Amino acid sequence: GIQVEQSPPDLILQEGANSTLRCNFSDSVNNLQWFHQNPWGQLINLFYIPSGTKQNGRLSATTVATERYSLLYISSSQTTDSGVYFCAVERASNTGKLIFGQGTTLQVKP
Amino acid sequence: NAGVTQTPKFRVLKTGQSMTLLCAQDMNHEYMYWYRQDPGMGLRLIHYSVGEGTTAKGEVPDGYNVSRLKKQNFLLGLESAAPSQTSVYFCASSYRGKVEPQHFGDGTRLSIL
Repeated sequence: GIQVEQSPPDLILQEGANSTLRCNFSDSVNNLQWFHQNPWGQLINLFYIPSGTKQNGRLSATTVATERYSLLYISSSQTTDSGVYFCAVERASNTGKLIFGQGTTLQVKP
Repeated sequence: NAGVTQTPKFRVLKTGQSMTLLCAQDMNHEYMYWYRQDPGMGLRLIHYSVGEGTTAKGEVPDGYNVSRLKKQNFLLGLESAAPSQTSVYFCASSYRGKVEPQHFGDGTRLSIL
């Protein structure tokens, strides 16, 4: 099956710093989503981005489908950005089945 | 707008007991999914449904059953709970599964003793 690898596995930042999280996938996809799991365990949908670039406030994401990777940028990080960031992809199956990466655990220190 | 609602939020079971987790969505989504999340891991798909009355197996279906009798509800059942099923369970839903993102509930934390 399709493999999804996220890097780095762990990241510690000082408040105000910028960061880039990476998601590599091993096959063509027709869906890619980035999620933030907050310290309370809730999954927050950040981006639906099978290709191209999107921005939402301090966050932006770029997916280069032909090269099978996606990047999540966090600028001017805040302590509330702490948590686990997941990338999830769907192969061209038309059933919406998502395959999740292992996640990047981000800790932003004040 | 409730979105995806999961009940219960927490539950402790003894080995061998049975229970049903309920997922309800009010967005008229065709597709619904059950995932489990184990410590330090991403989510893995248990079962999914592409419409009322239909269900299919995901990555880790063993030990679970599901039913989708109504479009808005997706039930996950554990007939004989085992400690290996201790996990956090997430339900999600989406339109047709292709052109729309999946929306997730807040999760059910289940412990099997």
